[in-house]
Amino acid sequence: AQTVTQSQPEMSVQEAETVTLSCTYDTSENNYYLFWYKQPPSRQMILVIRQEAYKQQNATENRFSVNFQKAAKSFSLKISDSQLGDTAMYFCAFMTPINAGGTSYGKLTFGQGTILTVHP
Amino acid sequence: GAVVSQHPSWVICKSGTSVKIECRSLDFQATTMFWYRQFPKQSLMLMATSNEGSKATYEQGVEKDKFLINHASLTLSTLTVTSAHPEDSSFYICSARNGSGWSYEQYFGPGTRLTVT
Repeated sequence: AQTVTQSQPEMSVQEAETVTLSCTYDTSENNYYLFWYKQPPSRQMILVIRQEAYKQQNATENRFSVNFQKAAKSFSLKISDSQLGDTAMYFCAFMTPINAGGTSYGKLTFGQGTILTVHP
Repeated sequence: GAVVSQHPSWVICKSGTSVKIECRSLDFQATTMFWYRQFPKQSLMLMATSNEGSKATYEQGVEKDKFLINHASLTLSTLTVTSAHPEDSSFYICSARNGSGWSYEQYFGPGTRLTVT
């Protein structure tokens, strides 16, 4: 079974600074997807960034970037130039690929979450 | 595009009654939908996976007779909490996967807050 671990229950950062959220996972699969989701106080889940395991290049989306270390099974999220609107709970998630005729339908396994607070 | 809605957004019911929550994909066909449960400041726990036209697959520990899931069309899945009790009070979130095959993107609904009194 896959597991996802976020070891930082809470983090805080000053506006405009950079913060890194940690995530490790455990799997025996070689092909998979990794995601970071944001859940603001509205509780709507928002996809922040995704990484395909077969891609060596780290994904970036504007101020958000990841450090994907496949051998170490590590997938951290870096938020640059933090903004007040980044305040949210962040979840790291893992998904196995969909197998034709198999039983894996793209289930997401979530980490425990990290509450990030951006201070003015 | 890729919007998922849930109805109602908040429901209060009395202990012993049943409540139905709807999850709709508004602008795409969702062959697979997922139902999650979330307690405050905790992670999302997958309850079940539903595929259009077939029985839902429940995660270990989830009572299938208590949490009835129906995925009758490509745009609608429902979760019915039967004989609700206060311990069923929680935030329920659905997500939908667009299409089939190698599409892996999931789109989340805004969630439904259930309070059982």
